[in-house]
Amino acid sequence: ETGVTQSPTHLIKTRGQQVTLRCSSQSGHNTVSWYQQALGQGPQFIFQYYREEENGRGNFPPRFSGLQFPNYSSELNVNALELDDSALYLCASSAATGGFEDTQYFGPGTRLTVL
Amino acid sequence: RKEVEQDPGPFNVPEGATVAFNCTYSNSASQSFFWYRQDCRKEPKLLMSVYSSGNEDGRFTAQLNRASQYISLLIRDSKLSDSATYLCVVVGGSYIPTFGRGTSLIVHP
Repeated sequence: ETGVTQSPTHLIKTRGQQVTLRCSSQSGHNTVSWYQQALGQGPQFIFQYYREEENGRGNFPPRFSGLQFPNYSSELNVNALELDDSALYLCASSAATGGFEDTQYFGPGTRLTVL
Repeated sequence: RKEVEQDPGPFNVPEGATVAFNCTYSNSASQSFFWYRQDCRKEPKLLMSVYSSGNEDGRFTAQLNRASQYISLLIRDSKLSDSATYLCVVVGGSYIPTFGRGTSLIVHP
């Protein structure tokens, strides 16, 4: 086990709703990244947080937002849900001082279904 | 052209076989390269980093060819437990990681 936990494990929402996903980083890790993985695809980078600041963002619209807390846990918020947002959402923590040079440890993911 | 491309497979091989996967990337300024393994319905886990000089970890060998812009993963003496999806990751000049869609490997008795 990586020590990275995510909640909830599964979630069903309807189009237009808002959702908050949570991630608890591995102890000692101050960098967290969020990814979206659609069925049959590789994970797509959403954004990274380092020391509570956004530190890089992928090609996702502003309705995807995040937070990192002083204890390095993190949230991913998605507003105005669309059907295409249905996916597995993964968070990954690392000890890197921002960036991706260090190993990323993934949590088990939250499977979001939008109806 | 996609930033990172992998043959999705599946590669279906018998135990003991040697199998190789390639992953091509389009950004010549890419900085770092990795192979991750993802079991069915599980999270990705780092298999190995890929260094310019190539690197080996037991039965696994990773290589980087910057001139042709691809990385490779060679698995020797395949085990049933090697069955998984293998994801290549390329970190570009903007330090954003891009994952390939993964290559599925099935090792059968």
